[in-house]
Amino acid sequence: GAVVSQHPSRVICKSGTSVKIECRSLDFQATTMFWYRQFPKQSLMLMATSNEGSKATYEQGVEKDKFLINHASLTLSTLTVTSAHPEDSSFYICSAREGGNQPQHFGDGTRLSIL
Amino acid sequence: AQSVTQPDIHITVSEGASLELRCNYSYGATPYLFWYVQSPGQGLQLLLKYFSGDTLVQGIKGFEAEFKRSQSSFNLRKPSVHWSDAAEYFCAVGYSSASKIIFGSGTRLSIRP
Repeated sequence: GAVVSQHPSRVICKSGTSVKIECRSLDFQATTMFWYRQFPKQSLMLMATSNEGSKATYEQGVEKDKFLINHASLTLSTLTVTSAHPEDSSFYICSAREGGNQPQHFGDGTRLSIL
Repeated sequence: AQSVTQPDIHITVSEGASLELRCNYSYGATPYLFWYVQSPGQGLQLLLKYFSGDTLVQGIKGFEAEFKRSQSSFNLRKPSVHWSDAAEYFCAVGYSSASKIIFGSGTRLSIRP
């Protein structure tokens, strides 16, 4: 149980385009989803926390207009990187939590490369 | 503020040997503690968690961790490692079951044949 699916696993696109990454909880309802960014050989940096039906809470230093987060249902959250530039290239990972005392369960990540 | 320290960046152990990965946290109250493992290019898998109760926690894949309040530590142990245990290990702390969690910098584990 507690499977989180993230799609796509890898995306390469040109500078200036927008990229959407999906995060789905397959066998549970996720009241909260989290989006992280991970640079090579580094730890995970929390970008934002999203609760179903409400606006995401962004961490300090994360541009809200750059990284759009939508959590429209209890099983789906999306991260859209708008007008992507090479410096946005990174590994993005989502996690989902059912609620209560349940831990976060992670997707397999998305490798984003901006040319 | 919460913080997590994993003092060992990289550890190499021989297959079959015992393992201990260190984790220290900084938080005033009883924290919620986690250990996750990450294989290259993949997401994180939860190994075990501590919320309350017995301070020795059993996890998956033969791992265990012990919460020691006096030392502010939550070290991960395994009595006999397998080559498949080679990965990056992250300790994480939260101040409630519903809060965001803070990750340590990670420890890369290599296994010597």
